[in-house]
Amino acid sequence: GESVGLHLPTLSVQEGDNSIINCAYSNSASDYFIWYKQESGKGPQFIIDIRSNMDKRQGQRVTVLLNKTVKHLSLQIAATQPGDSAVYFCAENTNTDKLIFGTGTRLQVFP
Amino acid sequence: SAVISQKPSRDICQRGTSLTIQCQVDSQVTMMFWYRQQPGQSLTLIATANQGSEATYESGFVIDKFPISRPNLTFSTLTVSNMSPEDSSIYLCSVGEGLGYGYTFGSGTRLTVV
Repeated sequence: GESVGLHLPTLSVQEGDNSIINCAYSNSASDYFIWYKQESGKGPQFIIDIRSNMDKRQGQRVTVLLNKTVKHLSLQIAATQPGDSAVYFCAENTNTDKLIFGTGTRLQVFP
Repeated sequence: SAVISQKPSRDICQRGTSLTIQCQVDSQVTMMFWYRQQPGQSLTLIATANQGSEATYESGFVIDKFPISRPNLTFSTLTVSNMSPEDSSIYLCSVGEGLGYGYTFGSGTRLTVV
């Protein structure tokens, strides 16, 4: 497989448990945030997004929390499944329309 | 969301040569971007591809090394010039429709320079 995530921090969780992936973003002026999932050999896939006027947004099995005070973003995955194993990136968007990525976290799900 | 076709999906190239990567979108999009993802690392923005004008490059990336074209709202190319082994990476095309609309990525081009 590809080498995505080889040198990234790793979170190991048991199947069925909840996962929490954290991200510290860099720009206090960022007003839109996206979480991406990247599997080996593929491009990043959109999971969920949140605007800066919100502090929480829920999707199917996923929740994103935004704390602007400390510039922190988290992704919560409920009932983690083997198919959730991937590298997860947060990305921030400023009014320049550019998307800047965080360092990423590799999620490993074991039975 | 837009569907992106990126070609080639992978290539092995000799040092000193150049490779042009194509990005085709199935609909007109406002913004197109090129990213590099070095082995085991996150994505780094190379440039914003501007339709009908020169691309806007990020710090550390220059037009002579990474010339970009964008002749219309559905197509862009990135050339990696005079390649060295340090250019071995995944190169990704991305499109966006603005704040709050998400950004879609192609599957990437896996380049190995030998």
